[in-house]
Amino acid sequence: NAGVTQTPKFQVLKTGQSMTLQCAQDMNHEYMSWYRQDPGMGLRLIHYSVGAGITDQGEVPNGYNVSRSTTEDFPLRLLSAAPSQTSVYFCACHGGSSGANVLTFGAGSRLTVL
Amino acid sequence: DAKTTQPPSMDCAEGRAANLPCNHSTISGNEYVYWYRQIHSQGPQYIIHGLKNNETNEMASLIITEDRKSSTLILPHATLRDTAVYYCIVRLRGTSYGKLTFGQGTILTVHP
Repeated sequence: NAGVTQTPKFQVLKTGQSMTLQCAQDMNHEYMSWYRQDPGMGLRLIHYSVGAGITDQGEVPNGYNVSRSTTEDFPLRLLSAAPSQTSVYFCACHGGSSGANVLTFGAGSRLTVL
Repeated sequence: DAKTTQPPSMDCAEGRAANLPCNHSTISGNEYVYWYRQIHSQGPQYIIHGLKNNETNEMASLIITEDRKSSTLILPHATLRDTAVYYCIVRLRGTSYGKLTFGQGTILTVHP
């Protein structure tokens, strides 16, 4: 039981490139979310999903796109990378109202945009 | 959501109890207090949560004052591996869809 798996762990991009950060969970949880963490700061919500086919924006959604075609996967796409998107990205899931706010996080993906 | 206030940093000796305070004076009656921690470079880890009764699990204890305006997370026998940033979050249960607001937290340093 791996919980939440994020790939890649590290990535370097050039400005303007696009890429997808992968997130997969094996906990059969309905809810998934993406956060970013900049140096010395707390986490900020990018996008979240309450189930397959349903996504919504968080606090800092600009420049990112998500989709949720299955319960297990919730990829985060950077459409045209900018240096301001240099950050550590965390994916999380939780099991709905019975376990609401008890999130399981992945290990993170560290992205550098040059 | 109720705002929380935590000290920016605390120290603790290994083997001693670490008591991390959190103020949430504007908490409403049906909001829960959640604690997470983040060990360097890792994803945040859920610790414990509670509404108004004191709670204990294998990781920690949570003491909530009777007026619910503040709480204390207690790590009974701190180890070096407990060095981390600890986040106190107040949220309505069942409504956040994973939309938690993480502030600056408290940096706990456990010394040998």
